[in-house]
Amino acid sequence: AQSVAQPEDQVNVAEGNPLTVKCTYSVSGNPYLFWYVQYPNRGLQFLLKYITGDNLVKGSYGFEAEFNKSQTSFHLKKPSALVSDSALYFCAVRGTGFQKLVFGTGTRLLVSP
Amino acid sequence: ETGVTQTPRHLVMGMTNKKSLKCEQHLGHNAMYWYKQSAKKPLELMFVYNFKEQTENNSVPSRFSPECPNSSHLFLHLHTLQPEDSALYLCASSQVEQGESRYTFGSGTRLTVV
Repeated sequence: AQSVAQPEDQVNVAEGNPLTVKCTYSVSGNPYLFWYVQYPNRGLQFLLKYITGDNLVKGSYGFEAEFNKSQTSFHLKKPSALVSDSALYFCAVRGTGFQKLVFGTGTRLLVSP
Repeated sequence: ETGVTQTPRHLVMGMTNKKSLKCEQHLGHNAMYWYKQSAKKPLELMFVYNFKEQTENNSVPSRFSPECPNSSHLFLHLHTLQPEDSALYLCASSQVEQGESRYTFGSGTRLTVV
């Protein structure tokens, strides 16, 4: 069965600094990996996904994520954080074939001015 | 707009009421999902509909009853709820054949049971 771990409940970073939100996964076969963001009282919005190819995936709002097969990780990154990036971030994974998307517990990102 | 619309956005109901949540997707997807999001808890998958057939029910109490009349519409019928059922209920859709297909979420219904 697939699973996702987001080890940090909250990440604090100052505006302008780089940010990293961690995610590790477990899945049989090749993984499909996703990051979603949730603003207060809203649904989850798609940020980016890794299917195959280049290990560095670029997504919306300047975010990117690096797929590392040996470490089974898919950390979310941004070179320079904005206060408006403050939100709840979810990592998700599914395997090949029809398997449901499994979400992590979420990491709250707080960017201070 | 994401292409997945949920109504109502907010709902307050008493424990003896009966209400329904509605979800509609305009993306041509053939799988739809109900999730429950409670404060400080992981996202909980409640029901999965694949080609209008329910394929998953994750031990959800019978006071929650889903209905999927066609691949574009999904309902969640609620009756005799408990205060602990207060949460954000999210609907999502995807394309089943495409494993890389992302889920598209609605904005959710914020449910308060009093």
